[in-house]
This record gives sequence, structure tokens and C-alpha cells, in this order.
Amino acid sequence: GAVVSQHPSWVICKSGTSVKIECRSLDFQATTMFWYRQFPKQSLMLMATSNEGSKATYEQGVEKDKFLINHASLTLSTLTVTSAHPEDSSFYICSARGAGGGYTFGSGTRLTVV
Amino acid sequence: QQQVKQSPQSLIVQKGGISIINCAYENTAFDYFPWYQQFPGKGPALLIAIRPDVSEKKEGRFTISFNKSAKQFSLHIMDSQPGDSATYFCAASMIRKDSWGKLQFGAGTQVVVTP
Repeated sequence: GAVVSQHPSWVICKSGTSVKIECRSLDFQATTMFWYRQFPKQSLMLMATSNEGSKATYEQGVEKDKFLINHASLTLSTLTVTSAHPEDSSFYICSARGAGGGYTFGSGTRLTVV
Repeated sequence: QQQVKQSPQSLIVQKGGISIINCAYENTAFDYFPWYQQFPGKGPALLIAIRPDVSEKKEGRFTISFNKSAKQFSLHIMDSQPGDSATYFCAASMIRKDSWGKLQFGAGTQVVVTP
């Protein structure tokens, strides 16, 4: 089945630094990647949608300059949280969609900003 | 505004019992309705999904019932096991030819199965 690998699974960073999260589709080409944010005991909140080779489309209220998304290839998308602050601490999850349809989720990244 | 409303927020069921989670949607353009299971610290995993051309789909102990006229769908977990203790999310999206839209998630239901 389709597999999406997300790294790192957890990261702790200092306030003001940037953190990059990678999402790779291992056995299929991901034409579209979705990035979500999830707070404890809450649902997934879509942050942005990216198609390979084009700029990401951000949901309302999501700062595109703070959450940089790159989808340079059909198997890799990255989310960079720039100048992270404690309020950015959250669980970030990617999801990939291939040409065959369906949505495959990564295992998530726990970001803690201290 | 949440496009998919899910209930209950949590439920406790005894081992061997039936867990039932309900979802309702407003947008009649939705035509793909998946259910996801999420364990703490992990990403969601697809359990089962249904399209609106069928009223029921069963996979093992998991069954989706779909009522198009009422714009509701539900997940039934039969013979619930402690390993089923997780958070379950319903979702909906629109599928067009060669294009799958973004998923709209319900709020989630935390299921606890007691021994």
C-alpha cells in the first residue's frame, strides 16, 4: 500500500529558530501534498495544499511567510516553521495524494518550541 | 464553520460491545466519506471509506452506514476490542475527474474500550 514517511517524528527547538519537516511518498508519486496542524484532543486543521512544482495554497489565517512549504518533486514536500515561537508548538501531519486517488497520512511530527 | 459534524465527542464501550459514531454534512457535493483511526502521537490511518452510490460498506468488524437523503453517515465497530481504543475521525471530500479535493474533518470521537 501507499506509504508516506514523515521526519522527524519529534523535534525540540529554541524560540526564534527555524525547523524543517520532511514528508516523502515512498512508493507512489504524490501529485498533491496537504499539511495539517493538530492541537491536543482536537481535529486536524488544514494549513495548506501544495501541488508539485507550484506554490502552495494556504488556508485562511495561516501565515505563509511563517510556514514555508516546498513541493519540489513528486515524492518530497517540506514544511519549514520559520522563527518558531512557543505558540507554534503542535503536532504537524502531512498527507499525500497520488494519481490513483486516496489520501495517505504521515506519522506526524511533534514540535516543541522552548 | 465545520462542514462535517461528528458525535459523540467520546464514548466508553465494554469489550465485545458495539461502538457507534455519527457524522452529518451539509455540502451535497461531497462524494467521498472516509473514516480514520488515530492513536496518540501518530498520524491518522484510513479505516474504511464509502461513496454515495451505496448505503452500506463492511470491512471486517467495521461498517459504514450512509444515508444520502439525511446527509448522514455512521461508523459501527462490532465486537469492540481494547486495541480499538483510539480517536476516530469522519471526513468528507469532493472527487472530480482526476482531482481529489481537500478533506473536511469532523471533530473526532475518543473511543475507550474497557476490558
